[in-house]
Amino acid sequence: GQSLEQPSEVTAVEGAIVQINCTYQTSGFYGLSWYQQHDGGAPTFLSYNALDGLEETGRFSSFLSRSDSYGYLLLQELQMKDSASYFCAVRDRLGGGGNKLTFGTGTQLKVEL
Amino acid sequence: DAGVIQSPRHEVTEMGQEVTLRCKPISGHNSLFWYRQTMMRGLELLIYFNNNVPIDDSGMPEDRFSAKMPNASFSTLKIQPSEPRDSAVYFCASSLGPDTDTQYFGPGTRLTVL
Repeated sequence: GQSLEQPSEVTAVEGAIVQINCTYQTSGFYGLSWYQQHDGGAPTFLSYNALDGLEETGRFSSFLSRSDSYGYLLLQELQMKDSASYFCAVRDRLGGGGNKLTFGTGTQLKVEL
Repeated sequence: DAGVIQSPRHEVTEMGQEVTLRCKPISGHNSLFWYRQTMMRGLELLIYFNNNVPIDDSGMPEDRFSAKMPNASFSTLKIQPSEPRDSAVYFCASSLGPDTDTQYFGPGTRLTVL
């Protein structure tokens, strides 16, 4: 089976940098995704890492170390609108040739003035 | 593009009633996923279709739940009979295909079973 661990809550001030960590245990690992979800909204895709290293998309970056079964999401120049829940999700290949996401429990980020 | 469309957005029903949730994936997407989200259990995958064929239904909680995808543009998730513990937000998501990493979620259906 799969299991993912991430902190339940993180608080930071506007303009700061915050890192949300994710460790996972899975068989057939294929990649690590990150999704953002605002209260009452739907999860939206942020980034995906299949290989070790850092992927940068604007103010957001995501890192993966396959050997350590570890990844993180880095948010820079925090804005109030970044207050949301952030989920890491492991992608593994199903026997039927598809791909499945198993989500972590989510990290609630609160950005304060 | 309209994105993934789900209906209804809110559903309140009584225990024992049948509930049908509907989803229209993004046009051209070949993979469709049904998720359930609760505070206690987080975001769980219920079932996944590829090219209208169910690939993995291991997340379906019990026989009261069933899902169909009669064509590429429509899927349903049915609960019969419904129970209070089924209260949750149900999301439908779609992706281009099995080899793509991005899933696009619909707005969700908030189900309350009294």
